[in-house]
Amino acid sequence: QKEVEQNSGPLSVPEGAIASLNCTYSDRGSQSFFWYRQYSGKSPELIMFIYSNGDKEDGRFTAQLNKASQYVSLLIRDSQPSDSATYLCAVNGPGQSGGSNYKLTFGKGTLLTVNP
Amino acid sequence: EAQVTQNPRYLITVTGKKLTVTCSQNMNHEYMSWYRQDPGLGLRQIYYSMNVEVTDKGDVPEGYKVSRKEKRNFPLILESPSPNQTSLYFCASGREASYNSPLHFGNGTRLTVT
Repeated sequence: QKEVEQNSGPLSVPEGAIASLNCTYSDRGSQSFFWYRQYSGKSPELIMFIYSNGDKEDGRFTAQLNKASQYVSLLIRDSQPSDSATYLCAVNGPGQSGGSNYKLTFGKGTLLTVNP
Repeated sequence: EAQVTQNPRYLITVTGKKLTVTCSQNMNHEYMSWYRQDPGLGLRQIYYSMNVEVTDKGDVPEGYKVSRKEKRNFPLILESPSPNQTSLYFCASGREASYNSPLHFGNGTRLTVT
């Protein structure tokens, strides 16, 4: 059973600061990693995905992946009040049995609050 | 506009009354899936489909049925709803059944079973 762990928060940062969101996963065979943002009562919205070790930048967002440590993070630079939401980490890849498994497994999310 | 459409958005029903939540995508996606989201439990997969006529159980399939007769549609059926199925449900689709295919979510269906 794959597990994806996130700190539930809330994580509170001032406007303009860098918000750092972290995620660990249990299945060493996982191959792809996604960050979704979810506003209260709304559907998850894809922010970024990363497949290779290292950093991937997209505007104010940077995803970081370290497969050896089974760790993926999301940095949000110049945080804005509109970034206040729950951030979901999701992991995809083969299950421990070695068989194909196209299921995205989600963490429970980290609530981010950006204070004006 | 590319989207995943769920209906209804809100549904209140009584125990035992069969219901169907529809899901349709207009992106020609092969992969579709249903999730439920509950406080403290996060998103949990109910069923998924890798293509037409190919469906399989997710983590919490009990009490649910699905079908995939057409590529665009993936309805969720609750034959005899119970109060523990009160939840927020999301349908999602992906371009293909592969590890590198992100999921795109519908707007959700909030179901209450009394």
